[in-house]
Amino acid sequence: QKEVEQNSGPLSVPEGAIASLNCTYSDRGSQSFFWYRQYSGKSPELIMSIYSNGDKEDGRFTAQLNKASQYVSLLIRDSQPSDSATYLCAVKSNYQLIWGAGTKLIIKP
Amino acid sequence: DAGVTQSPTHLIKTRGQQVTLRCSPKSGHDTVSWYQQALGQGPQFIFQYYEEEERQRGNFPDRFSGHQFPNYSSELNVNALLLGDSALYLCASSWEGYRNEQYFGPGTRLTVT
Repeated sequence: QKEVEQNSGPLSVPEGAIASLNCTYSDRGSQSFFWYRQYSGKSPELIMSIYSNGDKEDGRFTAQLNKASQYVSLLIRDSQPSDSATYLCAVKSNYQLIWGAGTKLIIKP
Repeated sequence: DAGVTQSPTHLIKTRGQQVTLRCSPKSGHDTVSWYQQALGQGPQFIFQYYEEEERQRGNFPDRFSGHQFPNYSSELNVNALLLGDSALYLCASSWEGYRNEQYFGPGTRLTVT
């Protein structure tokens, strides 16, 4: 059974600080990794994709991938109250995405 | 550029009934995936359609079926509805030619009573 694990949280971070979200996966053959943001009652929104080991930066977001450790992370710098949401880690396996249950992030003003 | 659209937004059905959900992919996308998301959980993969064929299926019973049309739009059909089918049904579209980044529609909230 291929799995993706995330800490369910909630993770509470002060406004302006760095939020760090983590994800581990079981399928060593996976090559594509994604972070989605989901606000309550809404659908997931793709915020980052990463395919190679190392860091990938996009604005305030940085995704980090370590295939040897089967570990993906997302850093959010200068956290804003609007970043409060559930962050879902997804790993591509064959044609499907396998999802973690999500980490609820709360940014405290 | 229109994103992924789904209809209807909300639906209430009775146990044993049948339901059809519809999805139009983002312009330029040719692949449609369907997911079921229960409250507080990550999405669960139902199946994916490409070139009008189901090419991968998740762990869902045959009561769940689908179709993809020549214009790439798709339908999800669920027969003999159970209370446990109540969930948010998500459609995601992607382009086969570029790493299959999947973009989601707003979802259909199905309630079975």
